[in-house]
Amino acid sequence: DGGITQSPKYLFRKEGQNVTLSCEQNLNHDAMYWYRQDPGQGLRLIYYSQIVNDFQKGDIAEGYSVSREKKESFPLTVTSAQKNPTAFYLCASRLSQVVSPLHFGNGTRLTVT
Amino acid sequence: GIQVEQSPPDLILQEGANSTLRCNFSDSVNNLQWFHQNPWGQLINLFYIPSGTKQNGRLSATTVATERYSLLYISSSQTTDSGVYFCAAHDHASGGSYIPTFGRGTSLIVHP
Repeated sequence: DGGITQSPKYLFRKEGQNVTLSCEQNLNHDAMYWYRQDPGQGLRLIYYSQIVNDFQKGDIAEGYSVSREKKESFPLTVTSAQKNPTAFYLCASRLSQVVSPLHFGNGTRLTVT
Repeated sequence: GIQVEQSPPDLILQEGANSTLRCNFSDSVNNLQWFHQNPWGQLINLFYIPSGTKQNGRLSATTVATERYSLLYISSSQTTDSGVYFCAAHDHASGGSYIPTFGRGTSLIVHP
C-alpha cells in the first residue's frame, strides 16, 4: 500500500543534540512538506520541497534543516539552535504538477530535555 | 500569505447531535481541504473541495469560494467523531508552488 512513513514515532533527546526525523513516501509525489504542531495549536510550515535537490523555507525554518536527495525521502534535522524543539512533527506530500490533496504521515513526537 | 480562521474553537456535543464547523479564508484559493486529527495525532483527509458540496456518510462539506468560506457538517455525531478538525487552504505561492495553510482547528468532544 502506498503511504508516508515517519520514523521514529517517539524520540527523546538531550538539549544541545541534533536529531534527524525520517520521512519516506512511496506515492510518487513530487512535493513534500514538514509541519510542526504544538499542543492546542494548528500546523505551522517548517520547510517544503517541490522537486529533488530543491527546498524552500516555510514560516518557522529557523533551527531546522532539510535535504531532498531522493524523491521518496525528505528528512528533517532539528538542530541545537532550535530554542523550543519539543513538539509533534508531521510530514506530508502531494503531487505538485496539479492542485492535489495533501497526504500526511503519522507524525513523530519529539521530546527534548 | 493567506489567513485561515476556523470557528468555533471548541465544541462539545451529546452523541446524536448535529454540528457545523466553519472555515473562513482571506483570499481566493485553489482548493480547500478538511482533516480530522484523531486522539493519536493522525490527520485523516475528509474532503478535498474547491467548490460545491460533497458528502461522505454522516459528513458533508460545502465550499463557497466566491465568498471565501467552507462548512463541514457532522450529523448524528458519535464519540468516535471526537478530535480536532482542521481546514487547509491551498494557496498559489510564488514560483508555482502550492502552499497549504492551516487554521487553528476546532476541537470537538462528543459525549455518550
